[in-house]
Amino acid sequence: GQNIDQPTEMTATEGAIVQINCTYQTSGFNGLFWYQQHAGEAPTFLSYNVLDGLEEKGRFSSFLSRSKGYSYLLLKELQMKDSASYLCAVRSEDTDKLIFGTGTRLQVFP
Amino acid sequence: ETGVTQTPRHLVMGMTNKKSLKCEQHLGHNAMYWYKQSAKKPLELMFVYSLEERVENNSVPSRFSPECPNSSHLFLHLHTLQPEDSALYLCASSQELLSTEAFFGQGTRLTVV
Repeated sequence: GQNIDQPTEMTATEGAIVQINCTYQTSGFNGLFWYQQHAGEAPTFLSYNVLDGLEEKGRFSSFLSRSKGYSYLLLKELQMKDSASYLCAVRSEDTDKLIFGTGTRLQVFP
Repeated sequence: ETGVTQTPRHLVMGMTNKKSLKCEQHLGHNAMYWYKQSAKKPLELMFVYSLEERVENNSVPSRFSPECPNSSHLFLHLHTLQPEDSALYLCASSQELLSTEAFFGQGTRLTVV
């Protein structure tokens, strides 16, 4: 079956670092995506990993281990505006469809 | 602003009504998608269009009927919906079907009463 797991909610303090984990079991693998979605707004693309390792983009980094079926999104120097839901999605190799997790709601406190 | 515009932003409809959701993109993208986002559930892919042809129908009930008249516009026609169809309906587009980045609209919040 297809399954994406990520924590439902996380909290962190402004200026801190937070790591949001995502584990997946899918029929084949053709890339992992992270999206950010503020309440009432469109999801926006953050990162794409298809090879193992760390992809850094400013304050955000995403890591992938294909052998472990595991990814994380690392947010550094947290700001209040980072309070949002973070969606992990995997593209299945068999169907090329994007399978989404339920999202992790991150709240950043002062 | 992602370049993908959805109207209306909010819609309340009765179970016997017929309504349509509209999505528009002028990004020059060739692929467009309808997703359903329910509370505490993952985003669910409903339909995929590539170059105005439907390439994916993800076992969606026939009370949802998509239409793609051209590469810039995508509609979702709704009729005889059920209360459990209440959700946020998101449209997305990407350059091609397997592009690494998709751009989402802000969604239509649908409530079926």
